[in-house]
Amino acid sequence: DIQLTQSPSFLSASVGDRVSITCRASQGISNYLAWYQQQPGKAPKLLIYTASTLQSGVPSRFSGSGSGTEFTLTISSLQPEDFATYYCQHRHSYPITFGQGTRLEIK
Amino acid sequence: EVQLVESGGGLVQPGGSLRLSCAASGFTFNAHHMSWVRQPPGKGLEWVATIWPDGSIKYYVDSVRGRFALSRDNAENSVHLQMDSLRVEDTAMYFCVRLRDATTIFDYWGQGTLVTVSS
Repeated sequence: DIQLTQSPSFLSASVGDRVSITCRASQGISNYLAWYQQQPGKAPKLLIYTASTLQSGVPSRFSGSGSGTEFTLTISSLQPEDFATYYCQHRHSYPITFGQGTRLEIK
Repeated sequence: EVQLVESGGGLVQPGGSLRLSCAASGFTFNAHHMSWVRQPPGKGLEWVATIWPDGSIKYYVDSVRGRFALSRDNAENSVHLQMDSLRVEDTAMYFCVRLRDATTIFDYWGQGTLVTVSS
């Protein structure tokens, strides 16, 4: 099974900051990676798929990059509604797995 | 508007059974793969199972294979997860999820139904 490791697990930042979250895969997965945002008590929401393609309706301050085993989600200027937990997910093969999550909190 | 509405969760004793259902609307149901993803309280996401549009192929995570069975009714636009031999570690919010096209991208999620396995 492909393991995904996110870093950091916890991130404290301020409104307006630029932040990045890394997701590392245990083996190469080409660009078969997606990112999700989950607000407390809500279902996850798709942000980015195929490593760098923005889902329709997602603000352009979100961007994704990477291929192979290392991927990055970047938020260029944090807004209050961005404080949430973020998960990466590979879609290279079954079983599908998620990273452990990165909790982004207001400093 | 795509809508996925789960039902069937609740409290069950270890070894018991539950059947989760997901009612779908707002899209061509029989053209999409469907999945269940679960989230134990305070923890991360875990993919559980996926079913092909025609129901011919199903994949399960190892921890539920042989205990859970995924099915769909394309006439009723619904998907079901039969959960048998439930364990304490199956306690989680269960989300019904649509997959984008013929991929493994989870593009629409229901609000979830809570399953609690406890004596």
